[in-house]
Amino acid sequence: GDSVTQMEGPVTLSEEAFLTINCTYTATGYPSLFWYVQYPGEGLQLLLKATKADDKGSNKGFEATYRKETTSFHLEKGSVQVSDSAVYFCALREKLSGGSNYKLTFGKGTLLTVNP
Amino acid sequence: NAGVTQTPKFQVLKTGQSMTLQCAQDMNHEYMSWYRQDPGMGLRLIHYSVGAGITDQGEVPNGYNVSRSTTEDFPLRLLSAAPSQTSVYFCASSARESPEAFFGQGTRLTVV
Repeated sequence: GDSVTQMEGPVTLSEEAFLTINCTYTATGYPSLFWYVQYPGEGLQLLLKATKADDKGSNKGFEATYRKETTSFHLEKGSVQVSDSAVYFCALREKLSGGSNYKLTFGKGTLLTVNP
Repeated sequence: NAGVTQTPKFQVLKTGQSMTLQCAQDMNHEYMSWYRQDPGMGLRLIHYSVGAGITDQGEVPNGYNVSRSTTEDFPLRLLSAAPSQTSVYFCASSARESPEAFFGQGTRLTVV
């Protein structure tokens, strides 16, 4: 079945450091890929998305490129801020077999802490 | 914009009690789903619905029931609460033609 594997945390960085959170996936078809962010005490919010190979999603300085050849969707940011401290989830959405239904599959999440 | 609204935000139950977690969305989304979030496990799908009157099981459906009598509402029922159901529960909705899912704020449930 579909699966998402993302790097285990926690990740601790200093402000203005470069961030990479690795994400790889397994899927039988052509999924859409997402990064969601969860700030403390809140629900998940969509950070960025890519719906086909070679698409680059970007938002709030974060970027991720859909690499079909390596089945990856790594999240990057050039200069992190304290306010970026959160849990980041990689996810894929794929059509379920036999119909028009979709399923979201999440990675286990990576806790990022940015220190001043 | 209300989006996806979950109630209650916090709940403590005794083993064996039943309760319903409420979820409502005002975006006319066809898809709605329930997830539980546990440390080190990410989000796991409990049940989902692709439209009013249609529901199906996810990865971890045991001990939970759902129904979808309207497009807006998708309640999750715990029939007989167990300590293993202590978790944070999230409801999400999405439109058929768009891949983005919108999440509620979550319900933190403790079963003692």
